[in-house]
Amino acid sequence: QVQLHQWGAGLLKPSETLSLTCAVYGESFSGHYWSWIRQVPGKGLEWIGDINHTGEINYNPSLKSRVTISADMYREHFSLTLESVTAADTAVYYCAREGQWLAPWFDSWGQGTQVIVSS
Amino acid sequence: DIVMTQSPDSLAVSLGDRATISCKSSQSLLYTSNNKNYLAWYQQRPGQPPKLLFYWASTRESGVPDRFSGSGSGTDFSLTISSLQAEDAAVYYCQQYYNSPYTFGQGTKLEIK
Repeated sequence: QVQLHQWGAGLLKPSETLSLTCAVYGESFSGHYWSWIRQVPGKGLEWIGDINHTGEINYNPSLKSRVTISADMYREHFSLTLESVTAADTAVYYCAREGQWLAPWFDSWGQGTQVIVSS
Repeated sequence: DIVMTQSPDSLAVSLGDRATISCKSSQSLLYTSNNKNYLAWYQQRPGQPPKLLFYWASTRESGVPDRFSGSGSGTDFSLTISSLQAEDAAVYYCQQYYNSPYTFGQGTKLEIK
């Protein structure tokens, strides 16, 4: 059974860069697309972007100018970088596995990382 | 972007009673070439990540109790719990995967009356 474990800095100052990593256990990285999703308090869930084992990446246009998603196929990790954070980026960030190619429901999730942006 | 709107925002239901949550999309989620609706449902308990309940609008994820059902097509969908149990108290979300960016409803908080 696949498990996702994520980590990264949880407290940032405005203008700093958010960096999170998610490790995939129990399943080959090459079989799925892998996503980052955030949950902003009071605003629900927002899909940030995804990546697959060939390096194909898709971003939400609302964040595309500040986001980079990358993957280390050998270590079966994938990462999220979000530049120039503001208080509006305060959220719980999740990594997740997409169910099928071209059918991205999210069937496995990381434990979540609370990120707070505050001066 | 496709806008997903859930109703109600919250509801309180007695144990053993039926609970129904509605989800409407701003455009059809039915892909005519395969006759599938590109909609998923999730349950989120406090302090936990969302848990997948249904995909293709009505296909139950493994391990989800059969008191849960998903229905609907096109732009109108529903999640029904036939006989509410205490552990069903949670926030429920719908999500479309018809188009990128994939979008979620605002959530419906289900409480026990």
